[in-house]
Amino acid sequence: DIQLTQSPSFLSASVGDRVTITCRASQGISSYLAWYQQKPGKAPKLLIFGASILQSGVPSRFSGSGSGTEFTLTISSLQPEDFATYYCQQLNSNGYTFGQGSKLEIK
Amino acid sequence: EVQLLESGGGLVQPGGSLRLSCAASGFTFSIYAMSWVRQAPGTGLELLSVVSGSGVSTYYAESVKGRFTISRDNSKNTLYLQMNSLRADDTALYYCAKADLGGTTRKGVDPWGQGTLVTVSS
Repeated sequence: DIQLTQSPSFLSASVGDRVTITCRASQGISSYLAWYQQKPGKAPKLLIFGASILQSGVPSRFSGSGSGTEFTLTISSLQPEDFATYYCQQLNSNGYTFGQGSKLEIK
Repeated sequence: EVQLLESGGGLVQPGGSLRLSCAASGFTFSIYAMSWVRQAPGTGLELLSVVSGSGVSTYYAESVKGRFTISRDNSKNTLYLQMNSLRADDTALYYCAKADLGGTTRKGVDPWGQGTLVTVSS
């Protein structure tokens, strides 16, 4: 199976900060990558698919980029509701593996 | 509004069986692939199984292949996961989710239900 490694696993930031999370794939996955947000006690929510396509209803401060093996999720100006855990998922091949998660905490 | 409501979780002994259900509403259930994803306590996500809209095609993660069976009843708008030979490491919150994993769009799994907890313990 394709392995996804997210970095950092934990990060602290303040409201208004710009934050970037990286997801690296063990082999090329074209642009078949999705990003999810999960808040405590809630199910994950799709933010971005196709590496850079914003899901309907997701605020424009979220953006994604990358292709092949390296991808990024950027939040341009953190809002209080953005503190959560973020996961990437590869949709290129069987396994449909998720990254281990990146927990974003308030500084 | 799409709604997915899982049920059937609970406490089961190692080696036992359990059947999870997911009642869907708010969309044309029969034309969409559906999936089960689990999350062990305090850990990440694992996609376990996917079934096509017709129910003909299925996919299983290696960790559950041969033990779990996914199925659907399109007349009842319901997705199932039959889990046999359960082990302690199957303990997790099990989510059902609408799946878009093939073709050119590949949007992933969304939306998700609220999850049902399965605990495997003696």
